[in-house]
Amino acid sequence: DIQMTQSPSSLSASEGDRVTITCQASQDISNYLNWFQQKSGKAPKLLIFDASNLETGVPSRFSGSGSGTDFTFTISSLQPEDIATYYCQQYDDLPYTFGQGTKLEIK
Amino acid sequence: EVQLVESGGGLVQPGGSLRLSCAASGFTFSSYAMNWVRQAPGKGLEWVSTISASGGPTFYADSVRGRFTVSRDNSKNTLFLQMNSLRAEDSALYYCARISGDVWGKGTTVTVSS
Repeated sequence: DIQMTQSPSSLSASEGDRVTITCQASQDISNYLNWFQQKSGKAPKLLIFDASNLETGVPSRFSGSGSGTDFTFTISSLQPEDIATYYCQQYDDLPYTFGQGTKLEIK
Repeated sequence: EVQLVESGGGLVQPGGSLRLSCAASGFTFSSYAMNWVRQAPGKGLEWVSTISASGGPTFYADSVRGRFTVSRDNSKNTLFLQMNSLRAEDSALYYCARISGDVWGKGTTVTVSS
């Protein structure tokens, strides 16, 4: 199975800060990576697919980059509504494994 | 409106069975492979199963293989997850989602406890 190592597990930042989350795959997954946002009590929401493509309707402050084994998710200017847990997920090979999640809080 | 609605969750004793359903609407259900993903209380997301658009190939996490069976009825736009030999560690919120990850239901809760 492909292991997805996501870091940090939690993060506290101020409104307007640039926030970065990383995800490392245990083997090459090309660009087959999603990033999800999950707010408390809600279903996950797809933000980024194919590592760097912004899902329709998602604000442009969210972005993703990387390929192979190393990936980065960035919020360019943190907003209060971005408080959530973020997950990466690879879909290069079954099982479609998720990272452990990053819980983002506002200072 | 594109929508997935799960149902069938509940409280069941260890060793028991449940059948989850996921009703799809607003898109051509028969064109999409579908996933089941679960989330134990306070934990992260865990992929459970995938079924192809036709219902042919199916795939399972090691933790549920041999106990869970995924199926679909494309004529009724419905996805199913038959869960047998349930264990306490199967307690979770179960989501159905389109394979692309862009559409999710709100989930149905399964609690396995005596």
